[in-house]
Amino acid sequence: QKEVEQNSGPLSVPEGAIASLNCTYSDRGSQSFFWYRQYSGKSPELIMSIYSNGDKEDGRFTAQLNKASQYVSLLIRDSQPSDSATYLCAVNAYSSASKIIFGSGTRLSIRP
Amino acid sequence: GAGVSQSPSNKVTEKGKDVELRCDPISGHTALYWYRQRLGQGLEFLIYFQGNSAPDKSGLPSDRFSAERTGESVSTLTIQRTQQEDSAVYLCASSLDESVGAGGREQYFGPGTRLTVT
Repeated sequence: QKEVEQNSGPLSVPEGAIASLNCTYSDRGSQSFFWYRQYSGKSPELIMSIYSNGDKEDGRFTAQLNKASQYVSLLIRDSQPSDSATYLCAVNAYSSASKIIFGSGTRLSIRP
Repeated sequence: GAGVSQSPSNKVTEKGKDVELRCDPISGHTALYWYRQRLGQGLEFLIYFQGNSAPDKSGLPSDRFSAERTGESVSTLTIQRTQQEDSAVYLCASSLDESVGAGGREQYFGPGTRLTVT
């Protein structure tokens, strides 16, 4: 089992709709969770971090964390074509708190 | 302020040659990470430096790979006797000291070095 799992996609969402991206992780002791966006040919950029159960909202983005289910998600409201990218879920390794493990990413495509 | 910088941005080398990649982290960031990303793949952890602690080398794929960091500044990743399977983008990231809290682990990436082994 991979430490951080994501559906590779592509996930196709119409413009203006809500895009929902999901991630599961295997290390029950993980405490820090991150979502990064990576445009083709570019390096990842941090868009959200979440550390406690529940929802965290930032503009059009909402991160959701459920530690009991070892599940973290990212919702993008009012999806725009500029949101088309690969979204990487990242989780810290409990054994080494600052070691961050990345999922392989979900490719999101927003269709006009 | 300045972000993470990496050099060179592109490197083409012949199989069997050694290469050295450089990363300059954000000033004040004590943690530094190296990752490898093959075309169409996710990020593969290579090595992690935190302050003066012993580095976590658990991701280095073979003894041809090594990395150094002087204090809390520049890091170099060296690949000896390069192979074609080493072709990838090598990404460096830095973050604040973990002691500042969970937010200290938010990583900021450099632009990467694209390595092509012919």
